[in-house]
Amino acid sequence: LAKTTQPISMDSYEGQEVNITCSHNNIATNDYITWYQQFPSQGPRFIIQGYKTKVTNEVASLFIPADRKSSTLSLPRVSLSDTAVYYCLVGDMGTGRRALTFGSGTRLQVQP
Amino acid sequence: SAVISQKPSRDICQRGTSLTIQCQVDSQVTMMFWYRQQPGQSLTLIATANQGSEATYESGFVIDKFPISRPNLTFSTLTVSNMSPEDSSIYLCSVVKETQYFGPGTRLLVL
Repeated sequence: LAKTTQPISMDSYEGQEVNITCSHNNIATNDYITWYQQFPSQGPRFIIQGYKTKVTNEVASLFIPADRKSSTLSLPRVSLSDTAVYYCLVGDMGTGRRALTFGSGTRLQVQP
Repeated sequence: SAVISQKPSRDICQRGTSLTIQCQVDSQVTMMFWYRQQPGQSLTLIATANQGSEATYESGFVIDKFPISRPNLTFSTLTVSNMSPEDSSIYLCSVVKETQYFGPGTRLLVL
């Protein structure tokens, strides 16, 4: 299973763009990259998923370089409510599907 | 997407007792998992709940301690048996539907 490495914590201010980079050197051909957000005492919430290049939805963008050994979650103009733990996971979305394995995540603290 | 509910949302239990946690999904799903999140830690996979057969447990988790049932494609239960304070955690149900979704969790405190 591909292992991921993320910064343990990050600090930002309201209105800034936040970029969280995840390293996954052993990513397999069938693996997708998925990011989750978790608030205290809640289950992880799906943010975005991608395979290569760039994916954008209403809350975030995901940038994946050609070698797919890393990915960057971009949160535009963060607010206090974006304070949470963000997890980067890689996993097979096809027939080889197993449960996603969580790393330690990145604790984002947004200040006023 | 998938909407997942869990019961109870939280409980306080005495050591030596058992608690059964229920997970209900709003649609049929093939893959269903149970995770544990200890205080201040990340999520750890306990087992895969297989419909119609025994659950598949991860290293460090055994059926006698965490028996799991999966009677159909929308429901599963996880029992935490003979509890000790070390079992105090959040227990989360998770399913796969296009991607992987998580329930709200059951917060368990064992005294």
